[in-house]
Amino acid sequence: NAGVMQNPRHLVRRRGQEARLRCSPMKGHSHVYWYRQLPEEGLKFMVYLQKENIIDESGMPKERFSAEFPKEGPSILRIQQVVRGDSAAYFCASSPPVDSKQFFGPGTRLTVL
Amino acid sequence: SQQGEEDPQALSIQEGENATMNCSYKTSINNLQWYRQNSGRGLVHLILIRSNEREKHSGRLRVTLDTSKKSSSLLITASRAADTASYFCATDGRGSTKGAQKLVFGQGTRLTINP
Repeated sequence: NAGVMQNPRHLVRRRGQEARLRCSPMKGHSHVYWYRQLPEEGLKFMVYLQKENIIDESGMPKERFSAEFPKEGPSILRIQQVVRGDSAAYFCASSPPVDSKQFFGPGTRLTVL
Repeated sequence: SQQGEEDPQALSIQEGENATMNCSYKTSINNLQWYRQNSGRGLVHLILIRSNEREKHSGRLRVTLDTSKKSSSLLITASRAADTASYFCATDGRGSTKGAQKLVFGQGTRLTINP
């Protein structure tokens, strides 16, 4: 059973470009979470999704950020018109339907030039 | 909003010694989890302790939970160089809206084990 997969592992974008981060949850996991980690800080919750539904997006910036978890395929975190402050590590986690334990992917490190 | 806070922020000990890290939080929880993060890597789940549990063991790890003080501790016994990492506690909120299980992380303790 492969763990949570994220790609790309490293992503470099220039200001104003779009960034797309992908997350494939563990097999059998229907819950996906996205977190952001700034250097030397803990992880901050962004959004919680189930298949085709956004359950909690209280941690998502109001503009430029969106997330989806379609019926087929990976979850996508999309950042439009990136700015330097978006540079961070973005982690995806997944969990089975009734379990608080979340399994984390290796993260995508976004650098905005 | 609830927040996990670890202390100390940084801890440096000799190999073989025990390392103790503490975590405090602010609101009621269903459970508390500890994670390890090696530099530049993802998080590894270490242990989950439920709100009705007081102590839990896993190998060289021992976690305690005091819900009256809203605090938890992680003890690593007989430390090894490979234990060098950042350690985070994470809590979920009891009665979270819509059944969400988002985790709230502390800032972490950076543990260095000197050979």
